[in-house]
Amino acid sequence: AQSVSQHNHHVILSEAASLELGCNYSYGGTVNLFWYVQYPGQHLQLLLKYFSGDPLVKGIKGFEAEFIKSKFSFNLRKPSVQWSDTAEYFCAVNPRISSGSARQLTFGSGTQLTVLP
Amino acid sequence: DTEVTQTPKHLVMGMTNKKSLKCEQHMGHRAMYWYKQKAKKPPELMFVYSYEKLSINESVPSRFSPECPNSSLLNLHLHALQPEDSALYLCASKSGHYNEQFFGPGTRLTVL
Repeated sequence: AQSVSQHNHHVILSEAASLELGCNYSYGGTVNLFWYVQYPGQHLQLLLKYFSGDPLVKGIKGFEAEFIKSKFSFNLRKPSVQWSDTAEYFCAVNPRISSGSARQLTFGSGTQLTVLP
Repeated sequence: DTEVTQTPKHLVMGMTNKKSLKCEQHMGHRAMYWYKQKAKKPPELMFVYSYEKLSINESVPSRFSPECPNSSLLNLHLHALQPEDSALYLCASKSGHYNEQFFGPGTRLTVL
């Protein structure tokens, strides 16, 4: 079974600082990778996803993530954070499978990002 | 239509009540999911339906009973819940081609 680790539980930054949130996974096969964001009191929203191809993935709101296969990592980055980026961030993986099959999405424990104005 | 809708948004129920949560998607997805999420925690998978059949039940207590009447609808029937069942209940559906899950806004459940 796969597992996902997010080592930063709470990150506090000032506005305009650069962000990098770590995500490592363990799984023997090929995976799909996701970052979700959950703003206070709101539901999960997909920030970005990686299935194949260019390992540097750009998402919404200026976020990007880099898949490094050799390190089993998919770290989330943003060059300059804003107060509105304050939220909980979840990394998630699931095994790459054939179309039509349902498989579990495994979430990391989440990282709370607080951006100070 | 690229969204998953859930009703109600909020639900307060007593421990003896029976209530149902509803989830709907019209994206043609054939896999649908129920998750439970406590504050500041990741979603925990409860049930998975694939082609309208229950394919995964993550050892969820029988006071939670899922139902998939058709490929667009997913219900979660609740009976005799406990206060510790208070949480955000999320529904999701999955795009078969890219294995991406689309989440609904959730139902915030409070059990008194």
